[in-house]
Amino acid sequence: ILNVEQSPQSLHVQEGDSTNFTCSFPSSNFYALHWYRWETAKSPEALFVMTLNGDEKKKGRISATLNTKEGYSYLYIKGSQPEDSATYLCAFKALTGGGNKLTFGTGTQLKVEL
Amino acid sequence: KAGVTQTPRYLIKTRGQQVTLSCSPISGHRSVSWYQQTPGQGLQFLFEYFSETQRNKGNFPGRFSGRQFSNSRSEMNVSTLELGDSALYLCASSLKASPSLMNTEAFFGQGTRLTVV
Repeated sequence: ILNVEQSPQSLHVQEGDSTNFTCSFPSSNFYALHWYRWETAKSPEALFVMTLNGDEKKKGRISATLNTKEGYSYLYIKGSQPEDSATYLCAFKALTGGGNKLTFGTGTQLKVEL
Repeated sequence: KAGVTQTPRYLIKTRGQQVTLSCSPISGHRSVSWYQQTPGQGLQFLFEYFSETQRNKGNFPGRFSGRQFSNSRSEMNVSTLELGDSALYLCASSLKASPSLMNTEAFFGQGTRLTVV
């Protein structure tokens, strides 16, 4: 059974704080690691697709790093804003036997307060 | 470019009935995957269809089935509904023209919220 874990489960921060979350995944049969943001009543929206060990991706105030050898990825949000409040999901895509199947973690729920 | 469209958005069914959910992928996308989310659980993979063929199946009972049409639209069917089937069902479409494009992101619809009473 393939295990993708995220921590923390939830997080409350103040506006302007920087924060980070962790995603751990199998280090074998790795193909890609996806990060999604899911706001209430909306569709999950892709943030990053990461494939190479040492990858770093950035979109505005959000960035992510990838370590495939040890099986973890970090998502960072700099200067959190209320509109960053959402659930952040990571998803593992396997090299073989999976096609486009994504195995998701249970997510980190972020609440940014004024 | 229109996004992924799922219909209906909400559905209430009685235990024992069957239900069909529909998903229209982004134009040009040939892969459609289905996921189930129940309270406290992450998104669980149901199955993936590509070019009208089921390519992968998750660990769900045979009551869950799906199909894909030549225009890439997909339907999933749940027969003999149980209370535990109450969930948000999401579909995702992906562009896959060759193995090298497997790293493209999946685009999700807004989901169908199924309640079984």
